[in-house]
Amino acid sequence: NAGVTQTPKFQVLKTGQSMTLQCAQDMNHEYMSWYRQDPGMGLRLIHYSVGAGITDQGEVPNGYNVSRSTTEDFPLRLLSAAPSQTSVYFCASSYGPGDIKYNEQFFGPGTRLTVL
Amino acid sequence: AQKITQTQPGMFVQEKEAVTLDCTYDTSDQSYGLFWYKQPSSGEMIFLIYQGSYDEQNATEGRYSLNFQKARKSANLVISASQLGDSAMYFCAMKYTGANSKLTFGKGITLSVRP
Repeated sequence: NAGVTQTPKFQVLKTGQSMTLQCAQDMNHEYMSWYRQDPGMGLRLIHYSVGAGITDQGEVPNGYNVSRSTTEDFPLRLLSAAPSQTSVYFCASSYGPGDIKYNEQFFGPGTRLTVL
Repeated sequence: AQKITQTQPGMFVQEKEAVTLDCTYDTSDQSYGLFWYKQPSSGEMIFLIYQGSYDEQNATEGRYSLNFQKARKSANLVISASQLGDSAMYFCAMKYTGANSKLTFGKGITLSVRP
């Protein structure tokens, strides 16, 4: 199993550009999430999905869109990049509800995004 | 709402000694889980240990143990026999039982192991 994969690993954008961060998992996980990590802020939830066709906002959703057309994929779209979106982005997946122990999040390697 | 607090600014420990990383949480839910993750300088997030709110025993995983004090709402990570490779950022996180439950992270603690 490849686990959770993210592409690209690094990206530089100019203000106003749009792009999509890709995330895929091959563990048949129901839950998928996007986090951003900024110095001193920990990981903050952007959007999450509890299954194909179902998404919801997290703590910091503004400026980002998501969709979940398949169980495997959960892309994150930046509609009009801003310098405040410079961050490291992590995608994560986990099993669905049930024994909470099995809700461990499996993380992708991260995408380092710089917006100039 | 869930809240995780990690207030230690940065920790230093001598190699082979034990170290405790503090984590307090705030929740009104009775059924929840607490997680610790390690993030080395390479950036990946590594799951270390899990504690359920109804678990009677403190969780242990190799050199990692969790000092869970439910009444105090604390879930401190204890690393025994520190190694140089333990130098990293450590995050405490919490999730309650529920269909749409989300994992909430603390801000993290930096641990440096001195040779």
